[in-house]
Amino acid sequence: SQKIEQNSEALNIQEGKTATLTCNYTNYSPAYLQWYRQDPGRGPVFLLLIRENEKEKRKERLKVTFDTTLKQSLFHITASQPADSATYLCALDMRNQGGKLIFGQGTELSVKP
Amino acid sequence: DAGVIQSPRHEVTEMGQEVTLRCKPISGHNSLFWYRQTMMRGLELLIYFNNNVPIDDSGMPEDRFSAKMPNASFSTLKIQPSEPRDSAVYFCASSLAGVGHNEQFFGPGTRLTVL
Repeated sequence: SQKIEQNSEALNIQEGKTATLTCNYTNYSPAYLQWYRQDPGRGPVFLLLIRENEKEKRKERLKVTFDTTLKQSLFHITASQPADSATYLCALDMRNQGGKLIFGQGTELSVKP
Repeated sequence: DAGVIQSPRHEVTEMGQEVTLRCKPISGHNSLFWYRQTMMRGLELLIYFNNNVPIDDSGMPEDRFSAKMPNASFSTLKIQPSEPRDSAVYFCASSLAGVGHNEQFFGPGTRLTVL
């Protein structure tokens, strides 16, 4: 079955630094991968989608890479701020199966002022 | 649009009782997903519907769990009888499956506690 792993440990960084979160997967070759943000007590919120033919995707201070050979996606937040503190989840996009997503466990990010 | 609406937001019940969770998806979306989230297992997909038809219920843990989608604007997830290990946050999400970003919009969740 598909397995998707994210940084198991929480990530603590200083404000202004770049946060890098890792998502690795096995037994599947998705054409798309999504990233979500989840704040405590709330549902996940969509951030970015990257396609297999895109090496990199940017949105404001966010950058996502997608290496289909390594089966890995990296999620970067540059010039991090305390407001970026949240849990970030990656999801394999299996849209050919009725739009289904398979989520990783998530990585908790804490940005200290 | 109000987004995905779930009710109740919190439910505390005793073991053996029936629990019904409700979801109203975003109008115009053609797919609806039920998830369960716990610290141990993360966000697990239980069942999903396309155009009100159940597509895959392989994530439903046991026969005690059932879900219905009688029309495009309403779905229920029922647990009967409930057990303490069912305690979790249950999310409903909707999307325009396979279109554009294929992003899912999540409701606020129902926090279920089974005593």
